[in-house]
Amino acid sequence: NAGVMQNPRHLVRRRGQEARLRCSPVKGHSHVYWYRQLPEEGLKFMVYLQKENIIDESGMPKERFSAEFPKEGPSILRIQQVVRGDSAAYFCASSPPAGQRNTEAFFGQGTRLTVV
Amino acid sequence: GNSVTQMEGPVTLSEEAFLTINCTYTATGYPSLFWYVQYPGEGLQLLLKATKADDKGSNKGFEATYRKETTSFHLEKGSVQVSDSAVYFCALSDKGSGNTGKLIFGQGTTLQVKP
Repeated sequence: NAGVMQNPRHLVRRRGQEARLRCSPVKGHSHVYWYRQLPEEGLKFMVYLQKENIIDESGMPKERFSAEFPKEGPSILRIQQVVRGDSAAYFCASSPPAGQRNTEAFFGQGTRLTVV
Repeated sequence: GNSVTQMEGPVTLSEEAFLTINCTYTATGYPSLFWYVQYPGEGLQLLLKATKADDKGSNKGFEATYRKETTSFHLEKGSVQVSDSAVYFCALSDKGSGNTGKLIFGQGTTLQVKP
């Protein structure tokens, strides 16, 4: 794809620590989506952001999880006080502004979070 | 609510065999439908899509037809290769225009192709 960049690719955290996952969308894309993939499962939608705004966070756990997409810089998914159940692959996707029809979202390679 | 159901895997085939991976959906309105492929250790790549009933998406020898009457979007390929071994995800979007919006994924089907 044209370059959704996620980092780090792999992240190990101890229980109770914070995890910060970064996503730089394709240049010119103003929409960012975060998904979580638990082992042996499909991807589950977490949150949809546009620059400086959260549009839909219906899939985000109410506690410990937050996301932002500032005017400058990457989108950040933040997990506070991680627990073992947070271990998963977290994927970011980006798409162009609304009104550009027939385009798809491009996915990054994911961040694999392991909580020990 | 909207949902996607795929056939369970793994699906194991010999090279040059015919492939079908079933996908059915439940949705209100007129969703767009997608197949994504995930190679080991990689992110998802869009394989093909269809935005309205009776559309056929195709790419790299794979095809899927948007069947509204049976709410299905089965993936097919006439002759698989070892390099097709991957996990395949069926997905739908609420936005019929083709802008993906929020995607709802099936659980994924693992395909293993043996030489």
